[in-house]
Amino acid sequence: KNQVEQSPQSLIILEGKNCTLQCNYTVSPFSNLRWYKQDTGRGPVSLTIMTFSENTKSNGRYTATLDADTKQSSLHITASQLSDSASYICVVSYPSGGSYIPTFGRGTSLIVHP
Amino acid sequence: KAGVTQTPRYLIKTRGQQVTLSCSPISGHRSVSWYQQTPGQGLQFLFEYFSETQRNKGNFPGRFSGRQFSNSRSEMNVSTLELGDSALYLCASSLDITSGEQYFGPGTRLTVT
Repeated sequence: KNQVEQSPQSLIILEGKNCTLQCNYTVSPFSNLRWYKQDTGRGPVSLTIMTFSENTKSNGRYTATLDADTKQSSLHITASQLSDSASYICVVSYPSGGSYIPTFGRGTSLIVHP
Repeated sequence: KAGVTQTPRYLIKTRGQQVTLSCSPISGHRSVSWYQQTPGQGLQFLFEYFSETQRNKGNFPGRFSGRQFSNSRSEMNVSTLELGDSALYLCASSLDITSGEQYFGPGTRLTVT
């Protein structure tokens, strides 16, 4: 069964600190892995997209890594800001019908305190 | 360029009724996907449309259906509403079905009483 597991479920850090969120998946075959940021009451916003051949992808203070052999990904947030408080969702897709079917993790809820 | 728009933003319905939600993709985007988000199950894929054709469908009962029009706008319909259908319904658009980049709308919050 295709699954995406994220850890931790929730995380509280102080402003300015770094943090790393984890994503393990069993989705196969693999097409791409995406990290989204979702603010409360809003739709998710894409942070990074990685295919099988990519190990690292950065978007400003966000850096995602992918180890396709161990089926693990991480999202590292550098110098956190209050606006980073949100849910971070890992999505792994597999090919189907010429497109992709996404499998979502349950998300990590990040709270950044001043 | 305007983002993905969804209407209505909030909706309250009674068990047994049906509901239609609308999604207008970003101009030029031809692929539209629908998702259900609940506190218990998180985000789940409903279906994807491209050029008025359903390309993929998630594991949801037949009460959930959708369609896409020639201008790429999409609607989803839920018939015989159940309490468990209360959720945030999100629509996302992308340029085409091979593009990994999806842009989400703000969602429609459906409450079934």
